[in-house]
Formats: sequence, C-alpha cells, structure tokens
Amino acid sequence: GENVEQHPSTLSVQEGDSAVIKCTYSDSASNYFPWYKQELGKRPQLIIDIRSNVGEKKDQRIAVTLNKTAKHFSLHITETQPEDSAVYFCAASNDYKLSFGAGTTVTVRA
Amino acid sequence: NAGVMQNPRHLVRRRGQEARLRCSPMKGHSHVYWYRQLPEEGLKFMVYLQKENIIDESGMPKERFSAEFPKEGPSILRIQQVVRGDSAAYFCASSPSVQGARTEAFFGQGTRLTVV
Repeated sequence: GENVEQHPSTLSVQEGDSAVIKCTYSDSASNYFPWYKQELGKRPQLIIDIRSNVGEKKDQRIAVTLNKTAKHFSLHITETQPEDSAVYFCAASNDYKLSFGAGTTVTVRA
Repeated sequence: NAGVMQNPRHLVRRRGQEARLRCSPMKGHSHVYWYRQLPEEGLKFMVYLQKENIIDESGMPKERFSAEFPKEGPSILRIQQVVRGDSAAYFCASSPSVQGARTEAFFGQGTRLTVV
C-alpha cells in the first residue's frame, strides 16, 4: 500500500516568515495530493490540493509543488500569521483511499 | 447544507461495552469513508461504503469492528467489546462520487471515543 512520510514533525516560525512542509510517497500510481489543516479538537479541513498533471498550484499565501519523478510534494505558506498555527497533514491517493502523513505541528510566534 | 454530521462528538465507554458512531453524509453524497486518528498521529483509512454496500474494509480490524450504510439513515461504525486501545478520534468523510482525482472528501467533526 501507499506510504506517506512527512517532515518536519514540528515547525516553529516567526510571524511573517515562510513555512515549508515536505512529504514523500511510495506508490507511483498516486495522482491526487491534498493538504489538510487541523486545529485542536476540530475536523481536518482541505486547504489546497494538486493533481498529478500539475507541477505547482497557488492560492493566496499557500502553494503546493509536486515532483512526480522524485515522488515528493511540498506545502509552502508565506507571510505566516498566528492563525496559521495548527497541525498540517499531507495525503496521497490513487483512488478513494487517502493515505496520510503523520502531521506537522506548526507554531507561528508573534 | 449542514455538512457531514457525526454524533456523538464525545463518547465514553467502559471496557467490554459497545460503541456506536453515527455519520450523516452531506446532502447528495452517497460515498462514505471512515478514518481513525490515534493521538498525535495521522488519519488511517478504515472503510469505504456506498449505500447498502461495503466497497473496501481493508483498514478495519478483523474482529469487533463493523460498518454499515443502510438505504435510509446514517452510516454506523460499530465497535463491540471495546478495549483501551480503541480510544481515538473517528472521522467520517463523504463525497458525491468516488473521492480521488476528481472530487474531494469532506470530513465531519469526528467522534472522540474514550475507553475507561
């Protein structure tokens, strides 16, 4: 089955700086890569996703890049704000089953 | 559209009791997925159901766990004879068609099960 690894497990950044989270996956058939943000005690919420036919996607301060050859994808958050503090999960899928990374706890210091 | 509704939000059970977790998908969604999240871990796929059909239960423990999605009513995840290791957050997600390259799955708020 698919194995998704996510790094780092924790990330502390100064407000206004950028945050980068990286994930690798094992199944070359995976073609859908969503990113979820989860605040304490709440549901995972989709913040951005990318399909395998695209190398990069941007939505305001959030961007995701995908390298299918190397089987890795990354989340970039620019100009971080305190409300960006949360746990972020990457996932990979080639059908209906999402395989999640273990999560990155992001703390934005004011 | 109220979104994916799960209840109860919190459930406490003693060891050996049964736990029933309910999930009402978003209106118009006929595909339901259950995931389990252990403390400080990512979500793990458990089961994928369509109305009256279990499509994939490869992530479900072989014993004590079962799931259904009847023609009428919510999807139910049932855990019999709960043990402490079952303590986790259980999330349900739904999609209008098969989740994947064309459609995202929307998650509910989860049910936090505590076994004492």
